[in-house]
Amino acid sequence: EDQVTQSPEALRLQEGESSSLNCSYTVSGLRGLFWYRQDPGKGPEFLFTLYSAGEEKEKERLKATLTKKESFLHITAPKPEDSATYLCAVQNHNTDKLIFGTGTRLQVFP
Amino acid sequence: EAQVTQNPRYLITVTGKKLTVTCSQNMNHEYMSWYRQDPGLGLRQIYYSMNVEVTDKGDVPEGYKVSRKEKRNFPLILESPSPNQTSLYFCASSFFSGSPYEQYFGPGTRLTVT
Repeated sequence: EDQVTQSPEALRLQEGESSSLNCSYTVSGLRGLFWYRQDPGKGPEFLFTLYSAGEEKEKERLKATLTKKESFLHITAPKPEDSATYLCAVQNHNTDKLIFGTGTRLQVFP
Repeated sequence: EAQVTQNPRYLITVTGKKLTVTCSQNMNHEYMSWYRQDPGLGLRQIYYSMNVEVTDKGDVPEGYKVSRKEKRNFPLILESPSPNQTSLYFCASSFFSGSPYEQYFGPGTRLTVT
């Protein structure tokens, strides 16, 4: 069964304190892995797509990496505006279904 | 501006009273989908559509109906809502799901069924 597990559930960081969010997955065939950001009361906002192990993508203070079993979202020198819930999802190559994790709620304090 | 719109944004209704939540996108996307989001359960897919007149069940389709008569619109219909359908609903769209195109999400509809 396809499954996505994100850890930690919640993370509190001081401004400038770098850290990583984890997304572990099992899927019968990976078409792509997605990272989304979700602010309270809003829809998820697309961040990255990763297609194959070894791939990395960066956007401002965020960097996403992918292995055969997990993905990491590295946050370098975070700012309070980075506070949000970060969602990971995988798309099954055979069914095209998108399976979401339950997210990591990040809070960055000044 | 490229966007997915949903209406209404907030809805309080009573058990058994039929309702429709509309979804529209202006990006000419073939693929559209409905999700519900519940605490601790994440986003779960209700129904999806790969193109006009083509719809299929997601993981939690019971109690819901959809239609895709036009490419841009994908309404979600609750014929007889029940309290367990109280949730936050999102519509999303993307280019054809055969490629891992990112999905664009609407702002959400918060539904309360009493």
